[in-house]
Amino acid sequence: DGGITQSPKYLFRKEGQNVTLSCEQNLNHDAMYWYRQDPGQGLRLIYYSQIVNDFQKGDIAEGYSVSREKKESFPLTVTSAQKNPTAFYLCASSNAAGRGRLSYGYTFGSGTRLTVV
Amino acid sequence: GNSVTQMEGPVTLSEEAFLTINCTYTATGYPSLFWYVQYPGEGLQLLLKATKADDKGSNKGFEATYRKETTSFHLEKGSVQVSDSAVYFCALSVITGNQFYFGTGTSLTVIP
Repeated sequence: DGGITQSPKYLFRKEGQNVTLSCEQNLNHDAMYWYRQDPGQGLRLIYYSQIVNDFQKGDIAEGYSVSREKKESFPLTVTSAQKNPTAFYLCASSNAAGRGRLSYGYTFGSGTRLTVV
Repeated sequence: GNSVTQMEGPVTLSEEAFLTINCTYTATGYPSLFWYVQYPGEGLQLLLKATKADDKGSNKGFEATYRKETTSFHLEKGSVQVSDSAVYFCALSVITGNQFYFGTGTSLTVIP
């Protein structure tokens, strides 16, 4: 079955450490996204990518980095510069890249819960 | 700009009660509208969508009608079940945009 796989499901980070969250999709979707979800809040966009080797900052990109070397993969690195990284991270993809095609909706992964210890 | 406003939760209902979760939006373009559902510890799943005015999206007994005159997309279900307990997100995308805009989510708990 096609879908998005996020790993790990739970991740613990020590102070000052960089960690990388994995996101892989086999839907052949062009666009991929990373969102952060905090308790009682909505989803906030971190980064998105519409094509391979290209990505744009979202609303809260500071302290995060991404790469898009392959169409199916969009890993997110939470760097030590992110002062409050404890959150639930969601990856999404869409076969709608560019104007006029966002009516298709997103497909979401099951999320990674990151905790600073 | 583009934004979505949802009614604040949490909402607690008895089984078989009627559900309404309000959602209103502002959009600079011509939006498509969505409802997503998130079960505990999981990602979001698309529940229903509507892509033009007066369209009605429906799925699993849930319905929402795209009302351009009131800029609304309220979610309704005639008889909720315990299994409907989840967080519901209203979202929009616009034809000129590259991303979705989500509401803050409404938590629903259905008690037997």
